[in-house]
Amino acid sequence: ELKVEQNPLFLSMQEGKNYTIYCNYSTTSDRLYWYRQDPGKSLESLFVLLSNGAVKQEGRLMASLDTKARLSTLHITAAVHDLSATYFCAVDENSGYALNFGKGTSLLVTP
Amino acid sequence: EPEVTQTPSHQVTQMGQEVILRCVPISNHLYFYWYRQILGQKVEFLVSFYNNEISEKSEIFDDQFSVERPDGSNFTLKIRSTKLEDSAMYFCAIRPGYEQYFGPGTRLTVT
Repeated sequence: ELKVEQNPLFLSMQEGKNYTIYCNYSTTSDRLYWYRQDPGKSLESLFVLLSNGAVKQEGRLMASLDTKARLSTLHITAAVHDLSATYFCAVDENSGYALNFGKGTSLLVTP
Repeated sequence: EPEVTQTPSHQVTQMGQEVILRCVPISNHLYFYWYRQILGQKVEFLVSFYNNEISEKSEIFDDQFSVERPDGSNFTLKIRSTKLEDSAMYFCAIRPGYEQYFGPGTRLTVT
């Protein structure tokens, strides 16, 4: 059974600080996805990582993938309040590309 | 970004009743997915649908669930006899490439 584990599950950080969210997974897949979800809303695609060593950046967020370690990271630089949300990583392992999600990291950025 | 709409946005039903949730992609797509998210929990895969056939389904997707594409555009999820534990957000997703784009969701409340 594919397992996707995120940590931390809850994160409270001050504006301006840096932090990293970790996503470990148990399959040999080289496809990993990051999504953002605001309260009561749908999932917004942030990053798609398709190979070992892939790095993507958008604004204050940067995601990377190490398929050998089965680890992806989502790094937050100089956090701002607008980044407060729940962040999910997801992995697909089959040809049908069904996504297996982690439990999510609930991020709160405070002044 | 591809657009997906879902109807209804909120459905309240009594236990044992049948419900049909609808997904309407704005343009033609071949790959469709249904996921659910119980309040405060992770997103769970239900079923994937490709070329008018189920391509993959999870253990959650038992005999009370069915999917179809009745008219070539709408994509529906039917729950035959709802249970209290079916209360959740149900998301439809499409996949034009690797990335999956999620609809706004239907909140199903079973009383």
